[in-house]
Amino acid sequence: EAGVAQSPRYKIIEKRQSVAFWCNPISGHATLYWYQQILGQGPKLLIQFQNNGVVDDSQLPKDRFSAERLKGVDSTLKIQPAKLEDSAVYLCASSYRGVSYNEQFFGPGTRLTVL
Amino acid sequence: GENVEQHPSTLSVQEGDSAVIKCTYSDSASNYFPWYKQELGKGPQLIIDIRSNVGEKKDQRIAVTLNKTAKHFSLHITETQPEDSAVYFCAAEDTGNQFYFGTGTSLTVIP
Repeated sequence: EAGVAQSPRYKIIEKRQSVAFWCNPISGHATLYWYQQILGQGPKLLIQFQNNGVVDDSQLPKDRFSAERLKGVDSTLKIQPAKLEDSAVYLCASSYRGVSYNEQFFGPGTRLTVL
Repeated sequence: GENVEQHPSTLSVQEGDSAVIKCTYSDSASNYFPWYKQELGKGPQLIIDIRSNVGEKKDQRIAVTLNKTAKHFSLHITETQPEDSAVYFCAAEDTGNQFYFGTGTSLTVIP
């Protein structure tokens, strides 16, 4: 089965510019996560979707970050305007949440550099 | 919310030796504890997990132990090989189905 797809893999932008990341989860996975991974740290949850509804976005900096998951499949994460501290790898993950099965599958990530 | 701490941050072992990575968590209601391996330029990949109703789980050279009373869990890798070199993350899932990750352990296996 195909894994979680993300694009682009790399992005370099200047501060105050905007950027968007795309994620296509594994087919049939209702839950989708976006994480921010700063160099040398573990992933930090930004937002969690269940189908096309937001389950939790408490750690999403809503003044500059936005995310959507139209039709409960693909998702996009946007940053506008970007700051230097947004430089990180943005990981998308999906899971099929069963009664006793909730393994997360991660995509390769998008490495963002803000200059 | 949940807080996960992981030690050590770096670990070097000789090929064939064992490696142990330890994590603690703060929320006693957390009930699922996965371990991930992350290689350079790739996303984390699940290598083993354990649920709160189990004390130990083993899969070939990898094992995980969980002590619910002390709120800590550990990853054990035996007979390490150079391809085990990577960054390892522990995580805990809370009752809201959110995952909290440790800060990672960079494991180097010296041939």
